[in-house]
Amino acid sequence: KQEVTQIPAALSVPEGENLVLNCSFTDSAIYNLQWFRQDPGKGLTSLLLIQSSQREQTSGRLNASLDKSSGRSTLYIAASQPGDSATYLCAVVDTGGFKTIFGAGTRLFVKA
Amino acid sequence: DGGITQSPKYLFRKEGQNVTLSCEQNLNHDAMYWYRQDPGQGLRLIYYSQIVNDFQKGDIAEGYSVSREKKESFPLTVTSAQKNPTAFYLCASSPGANVLTFGAGSRLTVL
Repeated sequence: KQEVTQIPAALSVPEGENLVLNCSFTDSAIYNLQWFRQDPGKGLTSLLLIQSSQREQTSGRLNASLDKSSGRSTLYIAASQPGDSATYLCAVVDTGGFKTIFGAGTRLFVKA
Repeated sequence: DGGITQSPKYLFRKEGQNVTLSCEQNLNHDAMYWYRQDPGQGLRLIYYSQIVNDFQKGDIAEGYSVSREKKESFPLTVTSAQKNPTAFYLCASSPGANVLTFGAGSRLTVL
């Protein structure tokens, strides 16, 4: 059974710092991996999608990498801003199915 | 603008009552999903539907029911059989390539 783990559960950094959020999954047979952002009491917003054949994706100050063989993905946020404060969730889709498995998320707080 | 609309945003239920959460999408997506989110936990799949008039149970379907009579709509009923229904409910859709788009969520509280 696929399990997704995100470390750390919470993170507080000063504004301007570069940071890395980690995601690990137990079964390397995935279709894709997606990073989401969730603001308190809101739905999820997709940030980056990495297909199983890709190694990384970039969008602005965000860069996500994928290492299927080790079951790991990282989300790198450059020059963090207070507006980046939110919960970041990682999710994987198993091959051959419509099931998306989510991690519990990392709650990020960027101090001004 | 295309998107997913969930209503109501907040809902209160007395014990023993059934309640229905609405989810409507205008993205022309084939697949729709219902997830439940509890504090400190990842999203858990309740039900999903890949095409109209067909749906499958997810990991925590007990105490819930759904219908998919129209492509745009996927309502979720929380029945009295669900013993711990207080949670944040999220509806999502995808075009079949598993790129999920989410609604804003509905928060259900049992009084």
